[in-house]
Amino acid sequence: KAGVTQTPRYLIKTRGQQVTLSCSPISGHRSVSWYQQTPGQGLQFLFEYFSETQRNKGNFPGRFSGRQFSNSRSEMNVSTLELGDSALYLCASSLGDRQGYTFGSGTRLTVV
Amino acid sequence: GNSVTQMEGPVTLSEEAFLTINCTYTATGYPSLFWYVQYPGEGLQLLLKATKADDKGSNKGFEATYRKETTSFHLEKGSVQVSDSAVYFCALIGGSNYKLTFGKGTLLTVNP
Repeated sequence: KAGVTQTPRYLIKTRGQQVTLSCSPISGHRSVSWYQQTPGQGLQFLFEYFSETQRNKGNFPGRFSGRQFSNSRSEMNVSTLELGDSALYLCASSLGDRQGYTFGSGTRLTVV
Repeated sequence: GNSVTQMEGPVTLSEEAFLTINCTYTATGYPSLFWYVQYPGEGLQLLLKATKADDKGSNKGFEATYRKETTSFHLEKGSVQVSDSAVYFCALIGGSNYKLTFGKGTLLTVNP
């Protein structure tokens, strides 16, 4: 079956702009999580959605937001981009239990 | 809160050498434990998991045993290959939330 699909794979944006990243989970998976990966901070949890409801949220500023649609697809939005937002953004999906997540290949965001 | 501590790399081994990457954790209750692997330019792949004490997860020659008494989940492989070169992350899901808490990752390089 198809894996977790993230689009786009690469993105270059200018400081102050906003960006929307997309994630299509594995069919049947109702939970979608987002993580930010940087060399300095490692993997940091952004938020998790289950059946269109945000179930968990990490310690990121309000410029980072997300949502999940009825078909479980999810989007993540970052407004007023800063240079420090440059990172690999990873989406992961699961059935919603604690059996583990399947990750997508990520979106590499570069803010210039 | 939950936390994961894994040995810092980089780890450099010769092909067919024995591999151990140490991982210890702090969590309330009985977390689920995971090892993920990340190859260059890719997302994370689930390598193995264990969801209760004394469980052994295994995959592709890698093994890890969930040790509640020592709060550890060390990754081992008897004979590494060049193709095992990657970054390995220990992670857990525990408590009342569904987010993955990651260690900082260990870069493994296997030389022919």
